Amino acid sequence: GDSVTQMEGPVTLSEEAFLTINCTYTATGYPSLFWYVQYPGEGLQLLLKATKADDKGSNKGFEATYRKETTSFHLEKGSVQVSDSAVYFCALSPAAGNKLTFGGGTRVLVKP
Amino acid sequence: DARVTQTPRHKVTEMGQEVTMRCQPILGHNTVFWYRQTMMQGLELLAYFRNRAPLDDSGMPKDRFSAEMPDATLATLKIQPSEPRDSAVYFCASGLPGPIDTQYFGPGTRLTVL
Repeated sequence: GDSVTQMEGPVTLSEEAFLTINCTYTATGYPSLFWYVQYPGEGLQLLLKATKADDKGSNKGFEATYRKETTSFHLEKGSVQVSDSAVYFCALSPAAGNKLTFGGGTRVLVKP
Repeated sequence: DARVTQTPRHKVTEMGQEVTMRCQPILGHNTVFWYRQTMMQGLELLAYFRNRAPLDDSGMPKDRFSAEMPDATLATLKIQPSEPRDSAVYFCASGLPGPIDTQYFGPGTRLTVL
């Protein structure tokens, strides 16, 4: 079945540091890929998405590129802020249907 | 700003009691999902509906959990009887079916079963 694997946290960074969160997936066909973010005490919010190979999703300074050859969708941000402290979830939706499969989440803590 | 709403936000109950959680999807969304989040298991899909009909409830313990959509503006998740292991945050999400399957999450119901 479909699965998503992402690096375990917590990831602790200083403000303005570079952030990478690795995400790889297993799926048949051509899934859509997503990053969701969960701030403390809140529900998940869509951060960015990509629907086909080589697509780059971007939002709020975050980027991720759909790499079919490596089945990856790594999340990056060049200069993090304290407000980026949250849990980040990588997810996929199969080619047909909209049932999401989530990774385990990566907690990111940015210190001033 | 359309949002998914969930009530109650917090619920503390004793083992054996019935718990009902409610969700109002975004107007016009015809797909509704129920998730459970725990530290140990992460985010698990319990059930989902399209046009009020259940499509998949394989993630839900059938003996004590039930999910329904009495109408297009209300989804409910019931636990009867509740057990301490049901303590978790329960999220509802809604969306539209299509090639880009974005789900919009509610703020969650934090359930504590003593």
